[in-house]
Amino acid sequence: DAGVTQSPTHLIKTRGQQVTLRCSPKSGHDTVSWYQQALGQGPQFIFQYYEEEERQRGNFPDRFSGHQFPNYSSELNVNALLLGDSALYLCASSRDREAFFGQGTRLTVV
Amino acid sequence: GIQVEQSPPDLILQEGANSTLRCNFSDSVNNLQWFHQNPWGQLINLFYIPSGTKQNGRLSATTVATERYSLLYISSSQTTDSGVYFCAVVGGWGKLQFGAGTQVVVTP
Repeated sequence: DAGVTQSPTHLIKTRGQQVTLRCSPKSGHDTVSWYQQALGQGPQFIFQYYEEEERQRGNFPDRFSGHQFPNYSSELNVNALLLGDSALYLCASSRDREAFFGQGTRLTVV
Repeated sequence: GIQVEQSPPDLILQEGANSTLRCNFSDSVNNLQWFHQNPWGQLINLFYIPSGTKQNGRLSATTVATERYSLLYISSSQTTDSGVYFCAVVGGWGKLQFGAGTQVVVTP
């Protein structure tokens, strides 16, 4: 049984560009959440998708948007990248509460 | 929102030693998870524990929800136990609120 998979694993973008990160949930999971982890900190909740809609959102600007597809996979889009967006982006999937994480996408903005 | 505090922030252990990591939270919670983050960034599930005690090999966890804390015990530590340990309280619809983590280094 494949766990949560994310792509790409690493990414370098230039300030002002746009980026799309992808996540495939664990088999049987219907909820996908995205987290941002800055260096030396705990992950921070960005938003959560369920039934193809954003169900709840953390304290992140509208530059961060997402999508969930009918097969429950999800994308995180970030527009107008800032240097401060450099971080590890983690996707978590769940069903009945316990969350499991992918290996993350390390985004560097230069 | 709920505040989650972990202590100590850093821990250096000699191989074979035992240790206790603590997680305090500011309000009642539905559930709590412990994770181990390896050097490559992967968060590995350790425990999903709303209350009581669970054990998995050399690791065990205890959550006392009424007193708003959870403990993670590492016994007979090994170098592979190195990494960052996070606790996260589970809020509405499974949203996780993480602590700042405890960085553990186990030396041979």
